[in-house]
Parts: sequence; C-alpha cells; structure tokens
Amino acid sequence: QSVLTQPPSVSGAPGQRVTISCTGSSSNIGAGYDVHWYQQLPGTAPKLLIFGNSNRPSGVPDRFSGSKSGTSASLAITGLQAEDEADYYCQSYDSSLSDNWVFGGGTKLTVL
Amino acid sequence: QLQLQESGPGLVKPSETLSLTCTVSIGSISSSSYYWGWIRQPPGKGLEWIGSIYYRGSTYYNPSLKSRVTMSVDTSKNQFSLRLNSVTAADTALYYCARVSFGGHFDYWGQGALVTVSS
Repeated sequence: QSVLTQPPSVSGAPGQRVTISCTGSSSNIGAGYDVHWYQQLPGTAPKLLIFGNSNRPSGVPDRFSGSKSGTSASLAITGLQAEDEADYYCQSYDSSLSDNWVFGGGTKLTVL
Repeated sequence: QLQLQESGPGLVKPSETLSLTCTVSIGSISSSSYYWGWIRQPPGKGLEWIGSIYYRGSTYYNPSLKSRVTMSVDTSKNQFSLRLNSVTAADTALYYCARVSFGGHFDYWGQGALVTVSS
C-alpha cells in the first residue's frame, strides 16, 4: 500500500485532456513538501516530468502541467497523443515514521 | 549530461546479499547540491524508494528495508553502492540508481539493473 494514492488507470482519446490525481496526507503533501511526477514508457527507466509541483524540466512539452492543493496534487495532460501512453508516478517526501522519499502506486494511461 | 550506470550480479541466491554499484559519469558525485538514491521496481509493479546517500556518507533508508540495507559512497571512483542482505524472492526487481536534486526529485536515472533472487 503506497503512502501516496493514485488511480490505477485512466484513459482518453487523442486530443483530449486527462488528469491523474495523487492523494497524500498531513505528513507528506499536506505538510508542504513538493510533489514531482515521472513518466515511464514501456521498457524504459522513469523520466522526470514535473518537479516542484508545477515546473517542467527542459524538453518536456507544455501539454504536461502539475498542480498541488492541500493534501493532493494533479498531473494534467492536454492534447493527448499516442506516445503519452505510459505509467505515471507521483513522488513526494514524508516525515511520519522517519524522513523518507515516497512514491505513488502509479497510474497507467491508455490512449484510446 | 550526467549519466548513471548500475552494475552487479543479475542473480542472487535466497538468504544471500545483493550488491549493486552505480557509476556516475560526466559529473561529480561530490557535489554538495545532491543526494544519490536507489529505487527498485518489482516486475509489473510500482516504484519503491530504497535509500539515499550524501557524498559525505549520511544516509536515509526506507523504514521497511532499513534493517537489511547498507549504502556507501566512493568519491575516488565516483560511485555509490547498495547492499541488501537476507534477500528473498520478494526482492526480485529492477534496481535503479538516480540523482536526488535539491528539491527532492530524482532528476537523472540509470537504465536499471534486473536482479533475480533464485536458487
């Protein structure tokens, strides 16, 4: 059971907008720690997609955006493309038991 | 740009110790701005943070693995290492090394090393 909760799967048609939620608690997201997002294409290592809640690394299209509010965060993808089909993970920091980095369980995005 | 490469045995027997090394290139492991981490992914499952280490040796470990994990750093070789003892089949996974940036995110990843625990 992951400390950060994500929906197991989401789907959308090409061109549509989808969102992926990441729900935490008062010891991680709600404590003010930043949320980061990763994209994992099949057979590859995860790639940083969003850092610091809403910042995109160089080279990441502006179709990807992140936000955070309270104990939750969201990743939005607009203008969905076939190559966006991948697993997406949120990540933050948790200070409940001991200081540590935590991941969400991951969300499989299917482009219909 | 920074590159990370995992290396180590791909097969470990149950109850023995898993050992992996991550070699950092085109960048220094001794930078004061970063931690270095290990993350694993069992086949078909999600990501699990194992631990993080600073170049001066301070460490943070996942509480669920803390009793079995040891991380170390060798600045002369620009490498950091993972040891996980008393392994079982549940430790079979792709093991990734990564750089932990100042904001707490993993900004560079290795390609991953598959470690299978089997007799």
